Amino acid sequence: LAKTTQPISMDSYEGQEVNITCSHNNIATNDYITWYQQFPSQGPRFIIQGYKTKVTNEVASLFIPADRKSSTLSLPRVSLSDTAVYYCLVRGNFNKFYFGSGTKLNVKP
Amino acid sequence: DGGITQSPKYLFRKEGQNVTLSCEQNLNHDAMYWYRQDPGQGLRLIYYSQIVNDFQKGDIAEGYSVSREKKESFPLTVTSAQKNPTAFYLCASSVQDRANTEAFFGQGTRLTVV
Repeated sequence: LAKTTQPISMDSYEGQEVNITCSHNNIATNDYITWYQQFPSQGPRFIIQGYKTKVTNEVASLFIPADRKSSTLSLPRVSLSDTAVYYCLVRGNFNKFYFGSGTKLNVKP
Repeated sequence: DGGITQSPKYLFRKEGQNVTLSCEQNLNHDAMYWYRQDPGQGLRLIYYSQIVNDFQKGDIAEGYSVSREKKESFPLTVTSAQKNPTAFYLCASSVQDRANTEAFFGQGTRLTVV
């Protein structure tokens, strides 16, 4: 099972670009990388997934280097409403989703 | 309107009681999951089910039980054997496709032992 490691917390200011990096050294060949966002007292919400290189959607971008041992979630021009916990996941066997402790992003005015 | 519904939102349990948390989905997903979240912590997998009438233990299954008699329902029972059940419980569902890593979560049930 691929374990993920990400910073416990990050601070940013409104309007800045935020990059959160996740390490997953033991990722398997067939594993996808996924990021979720969670607000207090709510269930996590899917943000983006990728396998290699770069993926972009209306919310974020995901950068994955060739060796796939890490990934970086990029949030452009964050606002106060982006204050949340962000989880990096590598999908394990049997479709299980393993969540680590996540990165608590605090966006300041 | 498709989604996943958990009930109740808040639940209080007396010591020694069993309680059952409901989870229903109308997304036609094969896989369903139960997670526990303690304050300031990440999610820990309790049980998961890939198909009706089949389920597997996650990392912290002791003191919990589940059933999967219908595709759309995956109730979780917190038994008296669970020594510290106060937590936020989240149910999720997903398709059975390794290339699709999007899981849909309910709004959670906050269980408190009184």
